[in-house]
Amino acid sequence: KAGVTQTPRYLIKTRGQQVTLSCSPISGHRSVSWYQQTPGQGLQFLFEYFSETQRNKGNFPGRFSGRQFSNSRSEMNVSTLELGDSALYLCASSPLSSQETQYFGPGTRLLVL
Amino acid sequence: GQQLNQSPQSMFIQEGEDVSMNCTSSSIFNTWLWYKQDPGEGPVLLIALYKAGELTSNGRLTAQFGITRKDSFLNISASIPSDVGIYFCAGRGGGADGLTFGKGTHLIIQP
Repeated sequence: KAGVTQTPRYLIKTRGQQVTLSCSPISGHRSVSWYQQTPGQGLQFLFEYFSETQRNKGNFPGRFSGRQFSNSRSEMNVSTLELGDSALYLCASSPLSSQETQYFGPGTRLLVL
Repeated sequence: GQQLNQSPQSMFIQEGEDVSMNCTSSSIFNTWLWYKQDPGEGPVLLIALYKAGELTSNGRLTAQFGITRKDSFLNISASIPSDVGIYFCAGRGGGADGLTFGKGTHLIIQP
């Protein structure tokens, strides 16, 4: 079974721009979560989607948003980028049989200049 | 919010040595997970624990879910060079905050 895939792997943007990141979960997984990883803050939860509905949300500003499609693929969007948004953005998917267990993709490395 | 204290922050060991790291939480978790992350990659799931007191092995790795549900440890026996990396504990409580991660233990193996 293919793992979680994320595109693009690397991205460079400038302040004020917006960005959309994409995640395809493991086949059959319907839950997708997003995390931000930075050297200072570590791994922090952004949001979780299940069956196209946002189930949980972390403590991030409204500039961070996401959605999930009927095929379980998910996208996250960051608007009005700030320098501090530079990070590795990780997507994880979970099987129905064990929704607490999350399998991560390789991440998208975002650099904001 | 929930916080996880993971220790040690880094370990310098010789190949063949056993390794032990642990995480403690300020609140109760229902699930404990241990991940390993290599540079430029996403975390890879090593062991998942679902019940207090549970002891689970995966090859040379052994992890336990503490009885109080506020702690977990990971042991690696007979370390080898490919064990180098950053190990993260993660927990999930009954709330709606996704996984809470520790800050990681950076394992370095000296030749």
